[in-house]
Amino acid sequence: DTAVSQTPKYLVTQMGNDKSIKCEQNLGHDTMYWYKQDSKKFLKIMFSYNNKELIINETVPNRFSPKSPDKAHLNLHINSLELGDSAVYFCASSQMPVNEQFFGPGTRLTVL
Amino acid sequence: KNEVEQSPQNLTAQEGEFITINCSYSVGISALHWLQQHPGGGIVSLFMLSSGKKKHGRLIATINIQEKHSSLHITASHPRDSAVYICVYGGSQGNLIFGKGTKLSVKP
Repeated sequence: DTAVSQTPKYLVTQMGNDKSIKCEQNLGHDTMYWYKQDSKKFLKIMFSYNNKELIINETVPNRFSPKSPDKAHLNLHINSLELGDSAVYFCASSQMPVNEQFFGPGTRLTVL
Repeated sequence: KNEVEQSPQNLTAQEGEFITINCSYSVGISALHWLQQHPGGGIVSLFMLSSGKKKHGRLIATINIQEKHSSLHITASHPRDSAVYICVYGGSQGNLIFGKGTKLSVKP
């Protein structure tokens, strides 16, 4: 029954590795988002997809690549992980851009 | 450049107090959101508003379009209200700009 789910919840990995975080929503929403929350607890939007099309792409390294196989899924793939990528990553969805968002529980990524 | 300013950054209150958190922005808006992030990390959307006022239980959100300002009020605050409250600007192009958040601590 979880509206927005993310896997894994925790991810610990070495520098240089490639990892993916998955996000799924069962709300029938058209828009999905990825956010990064750093150690200072500031939330920053990374990407937004509407109907599987990229609509927001903030300045993030191109090591980060979102993939939306369908409207219900927005996965985040990160290549060549760096120490500074350690953060909590939140996925969210909304019916339309700018509408009320529903957040996933977050994925805590630790890069060693 | 549009910016979202939230104040105060930190707020400590006694249980029962009336609390106000402010948010201002500089460019015309499509929607203004208030989010709550619990100490455990979970994020919940409290309000989305584009005009006027909304109320949900002890929480009230207002927005003044002319002054480009929104407030979040908590009446009869309780320790369980302790959280970070985040104001989010939503533009007509679908862009989102986040405030830096207000950390609220309500003491019993």
